[in-house]
Amino acid sequence: EVQLVQSGAVVKKPGESLKISCKASGYDFTTYWIGWVRQKPGNGLEWMGIVNPGDSLTRYSPSFQGQVTISADTSVNTAYLQWSSLKASDTATYYCARRQRNYHLLSHSYYFYMDVWGEGTTVTVSS
Amino acid sequence: IQLTQSPSSLSASVGDRVTLTCRASQDISIYLAWYQQKPGEAPKLLMHAASTLQSGVPSRFSGSGSGTDFSLTISSLQPEDFATYYCQELNSDSYTFGQGTKLEIK
Repeated sequence: EVQLVQSGAVVKKPGESLKISCKASGYDFTTYWIGWVRQKPGNGLEWMGIVNPGDSLTRYSPSFQGQVTISADTSVNTAYLQWSSLKASDTATYYCARRQRNYHLLSHSYYFYMDVWGEGTTVTVSS
Repeated sequence: IQLTQSPSSLSASVGDRVTLTCRASQDISIYLAWYQQKPGEAPKLLMHAASTLQSGVPSRFSGSGSGTDFSLTISSLQPEDFATYYCQELNSDSYTFGQGTKLEIK
């Protein structure tokens, strides 16, 4: 069974660092990009960025560039999202998701979508 | 690219047919996905390439559209369908989500 299992909820103080994880199983981890999505309490979904575990290439949403670091370690089939200095505004639930690729016959092109999601990690930043 | 979903919320009854819409600020071809999210749960993929039903998703869900205008239709609402629905564009690198449509029981 294809699964993404995320690390547990965490409470941190402003200014502290944090690294949360997303462990993949049931498929070849190096073959699919892993994305991260933020959801603040009561709000919608926000795309943060994505990593290719195969070569560690990353792409960030402009809103999150420089604010977080996304990485992956193929030796443990795990993707990571980290902060060097948390703010209260980072309080949210963070989801990882696998990017799937398919071929669309009618348009003769490849396309993507996020097909498998982790259960989410709730991060609370409070003094 | 910006995605605008309408309505923001919708009240409907079991058995109703409902259509949710998602409009993109520029042409995204068919590179749109729809997700369902229930409170306290992760999003669940419903539709990809605008109109392709994800495996395991009930056939009462259907999607249509291309370019800038897209829709998700539920042909006969079931109790488990009351949730928030998000569209996402996967045409650019920004992979933007719409703001969501909350579907509530009337």
